[in-house]
Amino acid sequence: AQSVTQLGSHVSVSEGALVLLRCNYSSSVPPYLFWYVQYPNQGLQLLLKYTSAATLVKGINGFEAEFKKSETSFHLTKPSAHMSDAAEYFCAVTANSGYSTLTFGKGTMLLVSP
Amino acid sequence: NAGVTQTPKFQVLKTGQSMTLQCAQDMNHEYMSWYRQDPGMGLRLIHYSVGAGITDQGEVPNGYNVSRSTTEDFPLRLLSAAPSQTSVYFCASRGPRGATDTQYFGPGTRLTVL
Repeated sequence: AQSVTQLGSHVSVSEGALVLLRCNYSSSVPPYLFWYVQYPNQGLQLLLKYTSAATLVKGINGFEAEFKKSETSFHLTKPSAHMSDAAEYFCAVTANSGYSTLTFGKGTMLLVSP
Repeated sequence: NAGVTQTPKFQVLKTGQSMTLQCAQDMNHEYMSWYRQDPGMGLRLIHYSVGAGITDQGEVPNGYNVSRSTTEDFPLRLLSAAPSQTSVYFCASRGPRGATDTQYFGPGTRLTVL
């Protein structure tokens, strides 16, 4: 069984500030981890993914995340927030199996103020 | 490539009515899935399919039916709509590399059941 916990349903930052969105996972097998972004009234778009290669993963739009097995975490960061980063972000986990399904966290809404 | 397409974009039903949400993908993906998104709940898996003729239940399958007669199409049927099924529905397909591959999401169908 797998699960994801995203700390904070809303995170507010100022433009130019560090973005940190937290994700902790639970998995009985080595996990694959994903971050997706959803802009208003749109579907989800992949930001980045960890699939057991490098633990520091770089994604689109300047985002990156680090897989920390000891902390069961996969936090998403961006050094400097932009107004266009305002969206909802979802962390997701799956197992290493061709038929495994993706389990999502409840999402974190990122608000960026000028 | 159109990617993953969903129709309709919006739908209003009365309690007890039936309808089918359409989903199609043109990427020749074997794996397809349906999610529902509710405020504060993230995305929850309804049903998924690993190929034509093969479907399985996800986390919240009650009230929904699926079938997969072709690789391209994966319709979701509501046999007798209930207000609890008011939600945004997303269809997704996944590439051929299994669990490590990206899931591509459609734009969603916003369903209201009165």
